[in-house]
Amino acid sequence: DGGITQSPKYLFRKEGQNVTLSCEQNLNHDAMYWYRQDPGQGLRLIYYSQIVNDFQKGDIAEGYSVSREKKESFPLTVTSAQKNPTAFYLCASRTGDITEAFFGQGTRLTVV
Amino acid sequence: ILNVEQSPQSLHVQEGDSTNFTCSFPSSNFYALHWYRWETAKSPEALFVMTLNGDEKKKGRISATLNTKEGYSYLYIKGSQPEDSATYLCARGTGRRALTFGSGTRLQVQP
Repeated sequence: DGGITQSPKYLFRKEGQNVTLSCEQNLNHDAMYWYRQDPGQGLRLIYYSQIVNDFQKGDIAEGYSVSREKKESFPLTVTSAQKNPTAFYLCASRTGDITEAFFGQGTRLTVV
Repeated sequence: ILNVEQSPQSLHVQEGDSTNFTCSFPSSNFYALHWYRWETAKSPEALFVMTLNGDEKKKGRISATLNTKEGYSYLYIKGSQPEDSATYLCARGTGRRALTFGSGTRLQVQP
């Protein structure tokens, strides 16, 4: 079945560590996105990529990094520079300007 | 309107009630307006993508309308059922760059 897979589902990070969240899709979508959700807030855009080897900062990119070496994969690294990384992270993809987005099931990151 | 805004923030209704939510968005540089349903422990799923002023879409008991000139969309649920309980998100698209989401309306339908 086609879809988006995020892993892990839960992730615990110690202060000062970098962690990488995985996002893989087999929908053959060009565009991929990372969003962050905090309690009581909507989805905020971290980074997006419209094509392989290209990506753009979203509204809250500070403390995060991404890569897009393959069409299927768009991993997100939460660096130690991110001051408040505890949140729920959603990956999404879509194929066109007016098409729906498909989402993974999310990763809940907790700093311990 | 600078951002995508949704109201109400949450809603509790009885089974069988009809309800509606509002999404307000900047009308400039408009490509599309999306509605998603996000059930607990699941991924958000698309309900509608609307592009034209005056668009009306329907899926079962759920329908949506779009006014791009004044920058709003309504989502209607007729005869709410407990399985309709979810957070309903709207998002404004401005090309392939990204979708800008509202904070959602959380619907709880009591049996």
